Amino acid sequence: NAGVTQTPKFQVLKTGQSMTLQCAQDMNHNSMYWYRQDPGMGLRLIYYSASEGTTDKGEVPNGYNVSRLNKREFSLRLESAAPSQTSVYFCASSDELKQPQHFGDGTRLSIL
Amino acid sequence: AQSVSQHNHHVILSEAASLELGCNYSYGGTVNLFWYVQYPGQHLQLLLKYFSGDPLVKGIKGFEAEFIKSKFSFNLRKPSVQWSDTAEYFCAVNNNAGNMLTFGGGTRLMVKP
Repeated sequence: NAGVTQTPKFQVLKTGQSMTLQCAQDMNHNSMYWYRQDPGMGLRLIYYSASEGTTDKGEVPNGYNVSRLNKREFSLRLESAAPSQTSVYFCASSDELKQPQHFGDGTRLSIL
Repeated sequence: AQSVSQHNHHVILSEAASLELGCNYSYGGTVNLFWYVQYPGQHLQLLLKYFSGDPLVKGIKGFEAEFIKSKFSFNLRKPSVQWSDTAEYFCAVNNNAGNMLTFGGGTRLMVKP
């Protein structure tokens, strides 16, 4: 009963390096999301995918790109990492956009 | 743009005390409302949701929340907390299109045994 699986769980990068965070869900959900969680700020939406083949910007998309590879997988890419992107990243999925979201365990990313 | 405010950043209670966490949102249209909980070291889990109907919503683990439209509020309550309720609680609001779930800053609850 995996739900939403994120890899890796932890990563340390140097400024300027690139990295892709992977997310997969096994619930046959249509919609998927990427958030970042910073202390005192809750979760902020980076990008979302309402359905396979579509992606849209959220509240804080700058410095990120996404790919909805298929219905199960939704990856987040940092092309040139910056210290301001140090955060905990959560992937989530839901049956439809309005429905409650199911979250992965998060990726703790530190950029030096 | 919609926003969500959680007034209490940190709350410390003794077991059996009553809990009320405040949540206010700003958005003029129809909203869907959620409370999520994040236990230490775990991912967010849904506590309860409100879409329409009875404004008093019951969730898991004895939690409930009341939607007061005139006050743009969706406060979370529990009559008697337990040590196992120690967690961070997030209020979240979705517009009716559902394409932008906005979270509050979270409230860290510590329950002393």
